Amino acid sequence: DVVMTQTPPSLSVAIGQSVSISCKSSQSLVYSDGKTYLHWLLQSPGRSPKRLIYQVSNLGSGVPDRFSGTGSQKDFTLKISRVEAEDLGVYYCAQTTHFPYTFGAGTKLELK
Amino acid sequence: EVQLVESGGGLVQPGRSLKLSCLASGFTFSNYGMNWIRQAPGKGLEWVASISSSSSYIYYADTVKGRFTISRDNAKNTLYLQMTSLRSEDTALYYCAMGVSYWGQGVMVTVSS
Repeated sequence: DVVMTQTPPSLSVAIGQSVSISCKSSQSLVYSDGKTYLHWLLQSPGRSPKRLIYQVSNLGSGVPDRFSGTGSQKDFTLKISRVEAEDLGVYYCAQTTHFPYTFGAGTKLELK
Repeated sequence: EVQLVESGGGLVQPGRSLKLSCLASGFTFSNYGMNWIRQAPGKGLEWVASISSSSSYIYYADTVKGRFTISRDNAKNTLYLQMTSLRSEDTALYYCAMGVSYWGQGVMVTVSS
């Protein structure tokens, strides 16, 4: 199984600050079609997960451009510029290149 | 607007069965693979099972293989998860998801005597 190692487990931030979350996979996430199926999700308190970014760097519909994703192969980063209160919650990376699909353990973003 | 609405959860004794349903709307259900993903209380996300658009390809997590069955009825825009031989460790909020792009609100399954 592909192990997704997500760091840090938690972040305490001030509104307006920028933060980055790392996600490393135990094997390459490049699929046979050449695409990389690494996604970022946000689970706000009491809510279902919401997809923010798909295939490494593509912004989901309605997602503010304060969010950006970079990376390749096994090493990926989510950056949030100018954190807002609505950004608080748990962030997960997820891979859907290989079965079983696997998720990072999550990064909890809290207010300082 | 994509909507996924799960139902069928509840409290069940260990060893018993339960069937979850997910009614889809707002997109052409028959064109998309679907997933069940669960989240134990206070824990992270765990993929459970996937089914392709025409049911040709089906995959399960090792933790549920042989006990759970994913299926779909494209005429009814509905995804199912038949769960048998339930264990306490199956206690979780079960989400229906289109890939990881769209998620339902989840349905709680509690396995306890």
